Amino acid sequence: DAGITQSPRYKITETGRQVTLMCHQTWSHSYMFWYRQDLGHGLRLIYYSAAADITDKGEVPDGYVVSRSKTENFPLTLESATRSQTSVYFCASHERQGGETQYFGPGTRLLVL
Amino acid sequence: SQQGEEDPQALSIQEGENATMNCSYKTSINNLQWYRQNSGRGLVHLILIRSNEREKHSGRLRVTLDTSKKSSSLLITASRAADTASYFCATDAETGANNLFFGTGTRLTVIP
Repeated sequence: DAGITQSPRYKITETGRQVTLMCHQTWSHSYMFWYRQDLGHGLRLIYYSAAADITDKGEVPDGYVVSRSKTENFPLTLESATRSQTSVYFCASHERQGGETQYFGPGTRLLVL
Repeated sequence: SQQGEEDPQALSIQEGENATMNCSYKTSINNLQWYRQNSGRGLVHLILIRSNEREKHSGRLRVTLDTSKKSSSLLITASRAADTASYFCATDAETGANNLFFGTGTRLTVIP
């Protein structure tokens, strides 16, 4: 199906474990984004990518790593998960430069015990 | 931070009434967007208004933008139970950067 998908939708892990959240889009959008959503903070940008092999930090990048070897995929890795990374993670994409409309995936709910 | 702030944080109305949500932001922008989020789902774009526009309509949605006050409002007319969701404003940066800065949202409940 066309669109933007995320996997897994739900994940429970333990402190110190490595976790990778996947994001895939079928539109060939240049820009992709990772946000986390926490109560009282709205959405905060973790990392974004302007194209394959181009990534940049957002507002809250510490503890996260991203890669973009292919235009359609933008995985987010928590190298050593902490309880403070318990959150809902959203991937988004848009076609071109300029802060235009973003298209969001359904989210991944991550619980770090 | 350029983050917007929505007001009120929560709003409860009867079906058929109008709902108004406000957003304030801190720095100059190129455009402002409103998104909707149903419980447990991703955000869905509703409407975009550019900095040189003052008002925009889309179906039952009306958005206003006052750049001198750095504020925007979203009006939903003739609300329906299906409008129950959280609504977020998002602003870009006048520099043309690609990041969007989201507010903390208004939780709207429409009572049938």
